[in-house]
Amino acid sequence: AQRVTQPEKLLSVFKGAPVELKCNYSYSGSPELFWYVQYSRQRLQLLLRHISRESIKGFTADLNKGETSFHLKKPFAQEEDSAMYYCAAGGTSYGKLTFGQGTILTVHP
Amino acid sequence: DAGITQSPRHKVTETGTPVTLRCHQTENHRYMYWYRQDPGHGLRLIHYSYGVKDTDKGEVSDGYSVSRSKTEDFLLTLESATSSQTSVYFCAISEPRGGHNEQFFGPGTRLTVL
Repeated sequence: AQRVTQPEKLLSVFKGAPVELKCNYSYSGSPELFWYVQYSRQRLQLLLRHISRESIKGFTADLNKGETSFHLKKPFAQEEDSAMYYCAAGGTSYGKLTFGQGTILTVHP
Repeated sequence: DAGITQSPRHKVTETGTPVTLRCHQTENHRYMYWYRQDPGHGLRLIHYSYGVKDTDKGEVSDGYSVSRSKTEDFLLTLESATSSQTSVYFCAISEPRGGHNEQFFGPGTRLTVL
């Protein structure tokens, strides 16, 4: 079965510290990998996708096929990064995605 | 934001009553999805549509039905609401292009079943 695991429900860091949100996936074939962000009570927004290999808001994510991981990283966290982050995999069958449980990131001043 | 709206945005209802949530898009995207968001579970797919009148079940479809009579509208119906269906419901759309399948989300509907 397709599965996306985000092992940390909560992650707290101080402003300026590095942050890493973990994501592991179990998926048949070669799925697309995404990170979505949801700021307080807002809609989910696409943050990153592995295909484009871009950096958005200072975040990057590297796909490691050997470890089946797609961890999200930022070298210097900002208070405005506080949000819920979802890792998602899929897109190959009617565009369906499987989401992880989400990680709530809190960046303290 | 992509042209996706959901209505109502908030609803409180009683156990046993029918409820219909509406998702409307102006992007002419082919695929549409309904998710529920619950703490500890992330987003779980309820139903999805791959065209007008073409729908299929997702991971947590029991107690829910959907209809898509027009490209732009995707309705989610709770035939007889239960307290376990208290949740935030998100609609999403996608249109695969060049192998990219990102989804765009609506603002969500907060449903409380008393």
